[in-house]
Amino acid sequence: DAGITQSPRHKVTETGTPVTLRCHQTENHRYMYWYRQDPGHGLRLIHYSYGVKDTDKGEVSDGYSVSRSKTEDFLLTLESATSSQTSVYFCAITPDISYEQYFGPGTRLTVT
Amino acid sequence: AQTVTQSQPEMSVQEAETVTLSCTYDTSESDYYLFWYKQPPSRQMILVIRQEAYKQQNATENRFSVNFQKAAKSFSLKISDSQLGDAAMYFCAYRMPGTYKYIFGTGTRLKVLA
Repeated sequence: DAGITQSPRHKVTETGTPVTLRCHQTENHRYMYWYRQDPGHGLRLIHYSYGVKDTDKGEVSDGYSVSRSKTEDFLLTLESATSSQTSVYFCAITPDISYEQYFGPGTRLTVT
Repeated sequence: AQTVTQSQPEMSVQEAETVTLSCTYDTSESDYYLFWYKQPPSRQMILVIRQEAYKQQNATENRFSVNFQKAAKSFSLKISDSQLGDAAMYFCAYRMPGTYKYIFGTGTRLKVLA
């Protein structure tokens, strides 16, 4: 158990509304990630962070922003949700002395 | 561009039998890491096994083993003595050298038949 929680676990929202997903870790790992999972696409990286206030874009970052003001929290924001952002969102961490990733339980987001 | 390909969207195996899931990747690097993750219906992503490219020996974790063919850029997962609990989506992943970024395949859904 890598001590990763995500909130909320499920959310339904309307097109055009802002949405923020939270990832929280208890181990103070430096590297944190946000992915989205869609059928036929596997997991695709949205943004990742390599330290407080240090973030970078992934392959599907359009329409998403992130913030990391504390080591333990990594926030993903959809400024104006669209139906194409309906997906399952996973947070992940990589321990500093390791090479693999560990994942949170996921958040199912539905944009109507 | 570095890519990971899982060409089998779905596989089936009889309980207690052996099944092999395929994964190929494209890279010009020589030192990298490869992983297999399992995603059961609970949706939780679980690390199954990892392989360091500089190691010639294939990684093994209990009933799970890999066939790593570096020259062919192939990284298949063998599950022996399949159990009903092995039914899940399986994802192959590649860690980009010199970064902390990962590329995932599209997944293979494994069904285990009683």
